[in-house]
Amino acid sequence: DAGVTQSPTHLIKTRGQQVTLRCSPKSGHDTVSWYQQALGQGPQFIFQYYEEEERQRGNFPDRFSGHQFPNYSSELNVNALLLGDSALYLCASSLGMGNSNQPQHFGDGTRLSIL
Amino acid sequence: AQSVTQLGSHVSVSEGALVLLRCNYSSSVPPYLFWYVQYPNQGLQLLLKYTTGATLVKGINGFEAEFKKSETSFHLTKPSAHMSDAAEYFCAVSVTGGGNKLTFGTGTQLKVEL
Repeated sequence: DAGVTQSPTHLIKTRGQQVTLRCSPKSGHDTVSWYQQALGQGPQFIFQYYEEEERQRGNFPDRFSGHQFPNYSSELNVNALLLGDSALYLCASSLGMGNSNQPQHFGDGTRLSIL
Repeated sequence: AQSVTQLGSHVSVSEGALVLLRCNYSSSVPPYLFWYVQYPNQGLQLLLKYTTGATLVKGINGFEAEFKKSETSFHLTKPSAHMSDAAEYFCAVSVTGGGNKLTFGTGTQLKVEL
């Protein structure tokens, strides 16, 4: 039973560039959430996708956008990268967006470094 | 909006000693509470969760937590620490209608010493 998989594992970009991170949810899951974890901090919710639509969004600027595909996989795009975007980006999946009592399953993340 | 406070960013215990990691939450509606563990260069792994029912929740690796509504707490404990427990621990909250979005605390780094 494949868990949540993310690619790439590491990425180095320079300021102003754009980046795309990818996530495949755990088998059977249909909801994907993205979190940003800065060094020494807890994960911060970016947004959540269900049925190919963004359903919830955290306090992140429009530079952060996403997409969910018919197979439930998802992408996170960040434009005009800033030094402060350096972080571990975590993808989490779950079954059913409305089930707040269902735990989310996390991938190992993509470490993004901005030079 | 809900929030989580984890007291103690670093906790150090001896192997075999009691582990106690503190978590307090704030929520205007009944919360769902979770503890996750993160090992270096890895994602988050669910330790245990409280949704409804029994307030003492048992999780993996011998961990347990007790939901105390009157104290708005959900502290994580383990009777006897093992070297393999060294990791970062995060407490998180979600609420009904919140679409299972998680709000995390800032984490507690657990160190286990011989």
